[in-house]
Amino acid sequence: KQEVTQIPAALSVPEGENLVLNCSFTDSAIYNLQWFRQDPGKGLTSLLLIQSSQREQTSGRLNASLDKSSGRSTLYIAASQPGDSATYLCAVRLAFDTGKLIFGQGTTLQVKP
Amino acid sequence: SAVISQKPSRDICQRGTSLTIQCQVDSQVTMMFWYRQQPGQSLTLIATANQGSEATYESGFVIDKFPISRPNLTFSTLTVSNMSPEDSSIYLCSGVSGTVYNEQFFGPGTRLTVL
Repeated sequence: KQEVTQIPAALSVPEGENLVLNCSFTDSAIYNLQWFRQDPGKGLTSLLLIQSSQREQTSGRLNASLDKSSGRSTLYIAASQPGDSATYLCAVRLAFDTGKLIFGQGTTLQVKP
Repeated sequence: SAVISQKPSRDICQRGTSLTIQCQVDSQVTMMFWYRQQPGQSLTLIATANQGSEATYESGFVIDKFPISRPNLTFSTLTVSNMSPEDSSIYLCSGVSGTVYNEQFFGPGTRLTVL
């Protein structure tokens, strides 16, 4: 059974710091991995999608890496800003035909001005 | 990317009643799903909404409690039946795009409180 774990559960940093959020999964047989952002009481915003054949994806100040063999992904946020404060969720998709996502518990990030 | 809207955005309901949540996508998606997010928890898949046929439910979720319809490629409804306080959650609709990247997009969610 696939399980997804995110560490740390919560993180508080001063503005301007570079930071790394970690995601691990128990079964390396995944179709893709997606990082989301969730603001309090809101839905999910897709940040980055990494296909199983890819090693990393970048969007602006965000960079996500994937090491499928070791069951790990990281989300790197450069030059953090208070507007980055949110919960970050990683989710793995098991197979093309199911579309089902298995989510981690999330990392709640607070960036202090 | 697909834009997904949900109605209502929030509701407060009495125990024993039912609520139907609507999900509308602005473009065709290959798959649609309904997830539940209980307070302080991550998301759990309820079911896959299949166009024109019965939904496919995950373990622990049943059709009598969570009937789902998907009459076309861009619209789906989830009903939460005979509600109890334990059903208080955020319910989110999602869709998988038809592009090669198969990115999954989520609606803003429906925050349900059952008294």
